[in-house]
Amino acid sequence: GAVVSQHPSRVICKSGTSVKIECRSLDFQATTMFWYRQFPKQSLMLMATSNEGSKATYEQGVEKDKFLINHASLTLSTLTVTSAHPEDSSFYICSAASGENTGELFFGEGSRLTVL
Amino acid sequence: AQRVTQPEKLLSVFKGAPVELKCNYSYSGSPELFWYVQYSRQRLQLLLRHISRESIKGFTADLNKGETSFHLKKPFAQEEDSAMYYCALRLFTGGGNKLTFGTGTQLKVEL
Repeated sequence: GAVVSQHPSRVICKSGTSVKIECRSLDFQATTMFWYRQFPKQSLMLMATSNEGSKATYEQGVEKDKFLINHASLTLSTLTVTSAHPEDSSFYICSAASGENTGELFFGEGSRLTVL
Repeated sequence: AQRVTQPEKLLSVFKGAPVELKCNYSYSGSPELFWYVQYSRQRLQLLLRHISRESIKGFTADLNKGETSFHLKKPFAQEEDSAMYYCALRLFTGGGNKLTFGTGTQLKVEL
């Protein structure tokens, strides 16, 4: 099946700094990628839909200036957490569809962000 | 807005026992339902979708529109079934691949 890779898997940063997380589709092109946030023992919360070549679509309540999304190519989307604070500490997961409108998403391994 | 509910956070069964993971949804239109699974130290992956009407790893799920449910069932649990299971919903019209996930149920199969 299609493979989605996230990097880094873990990152620790100081409060006030910015952190970039990459999401790559390794063997397929993804015009759309999705970014989720997962709190401990809770569901995946969709943050935004990343569209190649255009602006991301953010879900209600998600600050677009806080969580910058860039989808510059068909295989790469990045999520930048700007001016990170401890409350931004979470598990961030990306996913992508292979192009067929089947509803099947391929997920990355996730990135654990800890803001000190 | 659409919503997916998985009432059980944890379900423990013995090996060989039947398994039923509950999923209910709320949406006024025609949804498409999925079950995703996450095994220990692995990424989330698709288990099955209601449209396919197939059995995967012995699991089946039937969409019951009257009860707005999509429960996941397996007649005889195996140890390797232990995992986190997420029910997800996609809007049939214009939903693209945008999914709404439930909170997940941790299935633990004991020997």
